Amino acid sequence: DAMVIQNPRYQVTQFGKPVTLSCSQTLNHNVMYWYQQKSSQAPKLLFHYYDKDFNNEADTPDNFQSRRPNTSFCFLDIRSPGLGDAAMYLCATSDTGTRAGELFFGEGSRLTVL
Amino acid sequence: AQSVTQLDSQVPVFEEAPVELRCNYSSSVSVYLFWYVQYPNQGLQLLLKYLSGSTLVKGINGFEAEFNKSQTSFHLRKPSVHISDTAEYFCAVRPLRGSQGNLIFGKGTKLSVKP
Repeated sequence: DAMVIQNPRYQVTQFGKPVTLSCSQTLNHNVMYWYQQKSSQAPKLLFHYYDKDFNNEADTPDNFQSRRPNTSFCFLDIRSPGLGDAAMYLCATSDTGTRAGELFFGEGSRLTVL
Repeated sequence: AQSVTQLDSQVPVFEEAPVELRCNYSSSVSVYLFWYVQYPNQGLQLLLKYLSGSTLVKGINGFEAEFNKSQTSFHLRKPSVHISDTAEYFCAVRPLRGSQGNLIFGKGTKLSVKP
């Protein structure tokens, strides 16, 4: 059973056209993350939510925004995608309880920018 | 701050041969250690983790890893690989305190298993 679900799996957009990627989880975890992974590179943390508290990484461009309307859902908004934003975007969750430390990842959303 | 070094970007190996994927880390505080596997066009799946206790950790798919504190290493091993093990493997660390914080990944090692 899928526990972290990302939609869409593949997204094609035009240069400058806003795009939203979604993530839902059935684990009831209090922390949700968005990572960007470019080809042949390690995942790079963009931001995370600890409950409703938003934590932005210092080097995350302003072009990237996020929303978490409730525990189960989190969205990644890219306001004006550039060619350099083409990547796999990974959503992950974790629980600060007994399994602290382990992240559970979704299948990812691959973004292509034309 | 923490950092993770995966010494080999690519490891080719024949089926049924043993394999070791190397990982070294640097941290001024105690950390949790993880290995994740990523199959093409998929997310990351946890292979195994070291939180505390026995330094030899067994994971899924026959993989194991040994934590060596003095050498700050956490190498991943499998005694006999299968074609289906072809994937990219990421070593990662996370500070024990502030558990909602960042997971620091290495750059990954692509394991290619040949028949």
